[in-house]
Amino acid sequence: SYVLTQPPSVSVAPGKTGRITCGGNKIGSKSVHWYQQKPGQAPILIIYNDADRPSGIPERFSGSKSGNTATLTISRVEAGDEADYYCQVWHASSDHVEFGGGTKLTVL
Amino acid sequence: QVQLVESEGDVVQPGRSLRLSCAASGFTFSSHTMHWVRQAPGKGLEWVALISSDGSSKYYADSVRGRFTISRDNFNYALWLQMNSLRRDDTAVYYCARGNGGLEYFDFWGQGTPVTVSS
Repeated sequence: SYVLTQPPSVSVAPGKTGRITCGGNKIGSKSVHWYQQKPGQAPILIIYNDADRPSGIPERFSGSKSGNTATLTISRVEAGDEADYYCQVWHASSDHVEFGGGTKLTVL
Repeated sequence: QVQLVESEGDVVQPGRSLRLSCAASGFTFSSHTMHWVRQAPGKGLEWVALISSDGSSKYYADSVRGRFTISRDNFNYALWLQMNSLRRDDTAVYYCARGNGGLEYFDFWGQGTPVTVSS
């Protein structure tokens, strides 16, 4: 199976920039998607196809990719951004969806 | 607006079966792949199964293959997950989710339904 690796936790002060990484073999050849999940709620899509934002998602959320790592960047972090974040890819060679293990973002 | 509403979950004994349903509305159901994703208590998201837009192709996570079956009714905008031979480690909140455009990202999710496998 295809493994996506995320740090378990990231902490950032309000107003600063937070970055969450997602590593995977040859991830450069895959489209990476990101979800935000708050306690007791269903996940919501915040970035798709590496860097595209669905309507209604603030511009503070952005995605990028370099080498074997995709990165979710949250600018001007707010208290309401505190949540779990997951990366996800479609692994076509095995017809499987893969999620990263998730990263808990803590706003200090 | 797009809505995905799962049936109520349940508490079932190990080895028994349960069928989840997901009612879709607000979009052309037959144009989208559909998925089930689950989340065990305190754990991350785990993809369970995918069904193509016309129902002809189905894919499963290794952990459920041979025990779970995904199906759909495009006329009635319904998605199902038949879960057989349930195990304690199938305990999770189960979400139905709409897939999108070959990249298979999930742009809409149901509210989730809890399934507890316990004697």
